Amino acid sequence: QSALTQPASVSGSPGQSITISCTGTSSDVGGYNYVSWYQQHPGKAPKLMIYDVSNRPSGVSNRFSGSKSDNTASLTISGLQAEDEGDYYCISYTSSSTWVFGGGTKLTVL
Amino acid sequence: QLQLQESGPGLVKPSETLSLTCTVSGGSISASSYYWGWIRQPPGKGLEWIGNIYYSGSTYYNPSLRSRVTISLDTSKNQLSLKLSSVTAADTAVYYCARRRASSSGLDYWGQGTLVTVSS
Repeated sequence: QSALTQPASVSGSPGQSITISCTGTSSDVGGYNYVSWYQQHPGKAPKLMIYDVSNRPSGVSNRFSGSKSDNTASLTISGLQAEDEGDYYCISYTSSSTWVFGGGTKLTVL
Repeated sequence: QLQLQESGPGLVKPSETLSLTCTVSGGSISASSYYWGWIRQPPGKGLEWIGNIYYSGSTYYNPSLRSRVTISLDTSKNQLSLKLSSVTAADTAVYYCARRRASSSGLDYWGQGTLVTVSS
């Protein structure tokens, strides 16, 4: 199985909005509403930010939102803050009953 | 509050078997409708899904690792285990255990991770 495609890096200024894409195929992202997103700070375990495409766990800021169109899922962060800087990963369920991560995106807050 | 803690040797020799344990506290590993899994991250690289196990014992593995991986549950100790055989330097990584609710994609609880280095 091939890793989902994410941009290597994105950046934005405080207060702006950014979107990170996660592109797969009809056998993973496009075929199921089982996409989740994780934020990871250096030396820390990943933290769940969005699950099942667009659901936010309790305690996660409503500045984080998720969506999906065809084979591409997206994570949008609005009102960018310095603490949002870090690495972001998507993961999707696949038709083989397995899971595949995206390559990760480094978010820089300018 | 559920907590997960990985443990095991930090150094493994090439061609040997990597063995890790994830101890779960604050909840039962045999509770229905949860998957328990392993994810790894080579230094400076991205996350890779290794596999998971349902509370009933059904297992699912990454096709690229399937021939070398075994994941199991020890309900008496409330532990999840990972065995990866015939390791090489490419298996050097931080290994995380995590929990996922069935019928959901979210890995909602993670261990802190443990670094395993493969070297002679």
